[in-house]
Amino acid sequence: EVQLVESGGGLVQPGGSLRLSCAASGFTVSSNYMSWVRQAPGKGLEWVSVIYSGGSTYYADSVKGRFTISRHNSKNTLYLQMNSLRAEDTAVYYCARGIAVAGHYYYGMDVWGQGTTVTVSS
Amino acid sequence: SYELTQPPSVSVSPGQTARITCSGDALPKQYAYWYQQKPGQAPVLVIYKDSERPSGIPERFSGSSSGTTVTLTISGVQAEDEADYYCQSADSSGTIGVFGGGTKLTVL
Repeated sequence: EVQLVESGGGLVQPGGSLRLSCAASGFTVSSNYMSWVRQAPGKGLEWVSVIYSGGSTYYADSVKGRFTISRHNSKNTLYLQMNSLRAEDTAVYYCARGIAVAGHYYYGMDVWGQGTTVTVSS
Repeated sequence: SYELTQPPSVSVSPGQTARITCSGDALPKQYAYWYQQKPGQAPVLVIYKDSERPSGIPERFSGSSSGTTVTLTISGVQAEDEADYYCQSADSSGTIGVFGGGTKLTVL
């Protein structure tokens, strides 16, 4: 079964750091685009970051320079290292698999985890 | 930064057709995707590449594109379709993802 399971969320003080993990099963993380998407309480979805199968990474302006997306191929796991956290980073963070069709990769996301909650507060 | 614009809310009666639009300057160049999200749940992909329907998604869900606007159409709306719907695409460079603000579909 294709599945994504996030972990690592919690309560952190402003300026602190946190690393989220997303363990994949049923497919290979390094063979797909993999993304992080967040949702602040009562708000809409916000795209955060993507890592391509080739390793290129891209970020939303709101997190650029503070967050780093990466993966561990042998663990089949995606990560999001979050530094210099702010109150506005409080959200549920989802990892998601990018759509792949006939060797082509797209920014749409067809498999989502259940999300992990990050709260930034003193 | 690049934005996608959706109406905040759409209301329809059961059995009617709901249309949710999403506008963005780069949509003629970049594919759009649509997600359904119910309270407390992760989003579910309902349309990809403007008009393709993933397996397991009912045929009443369809998508279309015209210029800078894409549209999600739900024909014969059912009570279970009540949810938030988000469009998603990428900016003109194709590297930065973006979501619309979301549309709350109410089934009267």
